[in-house]
Amino acid sequence: SQTIHQWPATLVQPVGSPLSLECTVEGTSNPNLYWYRQAAGRGLQLLFYSVGIGQISSEVPQNLSASRPQDRQFILSSKKLLLSDSGFYLCAWSVRWGQYFGPGTRLLVL
Amino acid sequence: ILNVEQSPQSLHVQEGDSTNFTCSFPSSNFYALHWYRWETAKSPEALFVMTLNGDEKKKGRISATLNTKEGYSYLYIKGSQPEDSATYLCAFPGGYQKVTFGTGTKLQVIP
Repeated sequence: SQTIHQWPATLVQPVGSPLSLECTVEGTSNPNLYWYRQAAGRGLQLLFYSVGIGQISSEVPQNLSASRPQDRQFILSSKKLLLSDSGFYLCAWSVRWGQYFGPGTRLLVL
Repeated sequence: ILNVEQSPQSLHVQEGDSTNFTCSFPSSNFYALHWYRWETAKSPEALFVMTLNGDEKKKGRISATLNTKEGYSYLYIKGSQPEDSATYLCAFPGGYQKVTFGTGTKLQVIP
């Protein structure tokens, strides 16, 4: 069966510091991978998606970037965090229909 | 941009009441519809994947129906319990398996 891992689970970072969140998927090959964010009091916002290694599509202009160095690895990064980057970050994968989510990372930027 | 709408936006029911809410989606180029149960700051939990017109799925006290011709799905909860309190999301796959999520129905079950 497929599983999806995210780490860390919780992160507190100062404004201006870099960020790296990692997501890995097991039990499937060539999945589509996604990064979502839920800001406080808001719904799910799609940030990036990837249909293959090195292929990244950005949904909204922002302070973040994503990379897919391996088939089942998806990384969300920032060079300098902003206060507005605080939120709950979810990685998801899909094959065919629907999406399946990882456990999430709660990021607090102070 | 796909238009996936859910109604109502929020709902308060008494413990033991049954309730239902709606997801509307484009009826053309239908592939599937997903329902998720989502508690804030947790990972959305997949409830149902619905693919065929007339589909009816059930999981415990929760069930869902699908009408692809008219573009809607209903989610029903029978005998609501406080632990059912959550946001219920429907999701509609599009190109590149990008999924458009509805805005959700936030359910609060009052003990």
